[in-house]
Amino acid sequence: DIQMTQSPSPVSASVGDRVTITCRASQDISRGLAWYQQKPGKAPQLLIYAASSLQSGVPSRFSGSGSGTDFTLTISSLQPEDFATYYCQQANNFPLTFGGGTKVEI
Amino acid sequence: QVQLLQSGAEVRKPGASLKVSCKASGYPFSGYYMHWVRQAPGQGLEWMGWIIPATGGTKYAQKFQGRVTMTRDTSISTAYMELKNLRSDDTAVYFCARGLPAPGDTYYLDVWGKGTTVAVSS
Repeated sequence: DIQMTQSPSPVSASVGDRVTITCRASQDISRGLAWYQQKPGKAPQLLIYAASSLQSGVPSRFSGSGSGTDFTLTISSLQPEDFATYYCQQANNFPLTFGGGTKVEI
Repeated sequence: QVQLLQSGAEVRKPGASLKVSCKASGYPFSGYYMHWVRQAPGQGLEWMGWIIPATGGTKYAQKFQGRVTMTRDTSISTAYMELKNLRSDDTAVYFCARGLPAPGDTYYLDVWGKGTTVAVSS
């Protein structure tokens, strides 16, 4: 199985900060990567797919980049509603696997 | 409005079985893969498998092979996930989630149910 490793965790940030979260795959997954946001007690929400495609309805302050084994999620200006846990997920090989999560906290 | 409505919380004893339902509305059920993902308390996300509603075809994570069965009833736009021989470490929230429609994007999960809490305890 492909292992997905996220860093850092947690991330301490303030409103207005630029936040970058990284995800590393244990082998090449091309651009087969998604990012999700999850708030306590809620289901995850798809933010980015295919490494850099913004899901419909997601604010443009979220962006993704990377290919191969190294990927990045960037929040350009952190908003109060962005405090949450973020997961990466590889979609290139079965089983689909998720990173351990990065909590963005105040 | 696109929605996935899951069945309610369940409590089971070790060794028992469980069947969770996921009723889709607001979109053509047969046109989108349905995935199942679980999350143990305080833990991350774990993919269990998918079903293609149009054909009934399935793919399961090796970890769950032999214990999980995913089915669907297209007449009522509902997917099911059955897990057998439950253990205490199956205690988790179980989510159904729809895959994106475009070929090549079906493994990205764009609509999620609210989750079904399952507790396994003697």
